[in-house]
This record gives sequence, C-alpha cells and structure tokens, in this order.
Amino acid sequence: KAGVTQTPRYLIKTRGQQVTLSCSPISGHRSVSWYQQTPGQGLQFLFEYFSETQRNKGNFPGRFSGRQFSNSRSEMNVSTLELGDSALYLCASSLEAGFDTGELFFGEGSRLTVL
Amino acid sequence: DAKTTQPPSMDCAEGRAANLPCNHSTISGNEYVYWYRQIHSQGPQYIIHGLKNNETNEMASLIITEDRKSSTLILPHATLRDTAVYYCIASYSGGGADGLTFGKGTHLIIQP
Repeated sequence: KAGVTQTPRYLIKTRGQQVTLSCSPISGHRSVSWYQQTPGQGLQFLFEYFSETQRNKGNFPGRFSGRQFSNSRSEMNVSTLELGDSALYLCASSLEAGFDTGELFFGEGSRLTVL
Repeated sequence: DAKTTQPPSMDCAEGRAANLPCNHSTISGNEYVYWYRQIHSQGPQYIIHGLKNNETNEMASLIITEDRKSSTLILPHATLRDTAVYYCIASYSGGGADGLTFGKGTHLIIQP
C-alpha cells in the first residue's frame, strides 16, 4: 500500500513568487490535512480538506490556500512568498474527516526555501 | 486541544525500556491522548492513542493515570532507530477545528 506522496520534495523560490505543492493521499483516504513546520514555531496546522471541501483552517494569512480534487488529491498554494514561508510543508491523510481513526499518515514533506 | 507538557529531552540505553512522560492536567473528558514521533527529516509517525484505558500495540504501550491528568508512553526495548522527537497531543477524536496541536515534544536519544 503506497503511502502519502508529496511533490516536489525540495524547491527554491524567491520572494514575491508563488508556489504550488501537491499531495496524494493513501488510496481510500478522503481527508487531507496540511501542516507547516519551522524550527521556531514547530508544527502548525494549515487546513483540512474532506470531500473537496475545506473543513477547518488554521491561523494563517490568506496567501495560503488549498484545494482538494475528486480523487482526494490535494494541492496547497502560497502566493507572494515571504522569507518566513521557508519551511517543511507536511501533508497528512486519514480515512475520514476529523481524525476519527486517531491516526494521521504523514508524507515526507516538501521543503521550501524562499530566498 | 488541551495543553500538554513534556520534558525537552531524555536519554535511554539501547535495549532498555524508554518511558516518556506527558502532563495534560486540563484534558477534558472526551479528549484522547495521542502520541506521534518524528525521526529527523521525516514526517511524523502515529504511535498510539487512548482515552481512559491503557493501550498496547506492536510499537508501544500507553499508560494513562486514573485521573487522566498524565500519561506515559513506553517503548519496551528501545533501539537506536527509536531516536526521534516524541509528541504527546490531547485532542478530540472528532477533530478539533485547529487540527492536532503539536508542542515541542521530547527529543529521545537512544544511547548504544
């Protein structure tokens, strides 16, 4: 059974650019969550999608957005990149919304560097 | 999510049991205790979760005190590959609106 796949694994952007990150959940999983991890703030919740609808959103500015497709794959977009957006972006999938199984399956992350 | 408190770091000898404590004195009655770990440069990995009763799976055991104000994660025979940051999280099973709240965790170092 394939795990959660995130692409790209590494990328470098410059300030003001935008970036799109992709996440393919485990087959059969319908919920996808996104987290940002930085050395200073740790792991912070960005948003959760279930059945193509954003279910919850963390405390991040509107530059951070996402969407989920009918096959449960998800993308997140960050516009007008700032230096502080440099981070590891993690995607997690679960069978149902709201971590009902108690278990999130995380991908290996996309490491974004903003210069 | 209720606030959790963990020691920032711990050492354990290889082959011994690693006991990781977590304080969650403000946990509410329907919040579960979850444990995840993160090995360097990888995504977090689910370990175990529980509500009231002690739980055991192939990775670890979770001991929750009767008043539910604290818990201990036990890795029965620690190996070098268990070196990681361990996160204790108190959250609703139905999912909090703020996702899972990962604190700073405990950096467990297994010594050869």
